[in-house]
Amino acid sequence: GESVGLHLPTLSVQEGDNSIINCAYSNSASDYFIWYKQESGKGPQFIIDIRSNMDKRQGQRVTVLLNKTVKHLSLQIAATQPGDSAVYFCAEKGRYSGGSNYKLTFGKGTLLTVNP
Amino acid sequence: SAVISQKPSRDICQRGTSLTIQCQVDSQVTMMFWYRQQPGQSLTLIATANQGSEATYESGFVIDKFPISRPNLTFSTLTVSNMSPEDSSIYLCSVQESSYNEQFFGPGTRLTVL
Repeated sequence: GESVGLHLPTLSVQEGDNSIINCAYSNSASDYFIWYKQESGKGPQFIIDIRSNMDKRQGQRVTVLLNKTVKHLSLQIAATQPGDSAVYFCAEKGRYSGGSNYKLTFGKGTLLTVNP
Repeated sequence: SAVISQKPSRDICQRGTSLTIQCQVDSQVTMMFWYRQQPGQSLTLIATANQGSEATYESGFVIDKFPISRPNLTFSTLTVSNMSPEDSSIYLCSVQESSYNEQFFGPGTRLTVL
């Protein structure tokens, strides 16, 4: 079936370094991609999104890159801070075969640990 | 962004019992969803809560096990019925104003079944 997965389950970086979290997706019909941050004991928090007609989008300290040719999505965090420590999920939305609604499908998650 | 609250925030239940989780949003939203997040895992969509009609369930989830209500545009409940230890998870409510708006999540309900 369709799936969204991550290359690295854990990532440890030093405070101030840049972080890159990667994600692969398989549904070629996906047209909307989102990155969420989930801190311990909390629900996922929206970080940034990108539509399939774009290949790059920037936010505050974060950049999302989309490569539709290889079905790859990445999240770049500049000057990573201890408060960035969390699990990061990529998610994609698209119409699945047999489905009548667009649904959000989550990847497995990457645990980012920022060392002071 | 929508502010979402869930009750209870956590519970410990005995097997064979049922628990109803409430989700309240501070504004009217078109779409409400329920997700399950098993320990150390990603989120899995259980169902879409439809206002005024039966929920739309994903493969592997059935109404008898997870009955859902949505009486209006700001409130929904999810019941976990006849619980077993395998139902121990975080249950998350999520809302969206339309198909291509941001989807927001509540804080989750952490359920432990003994």
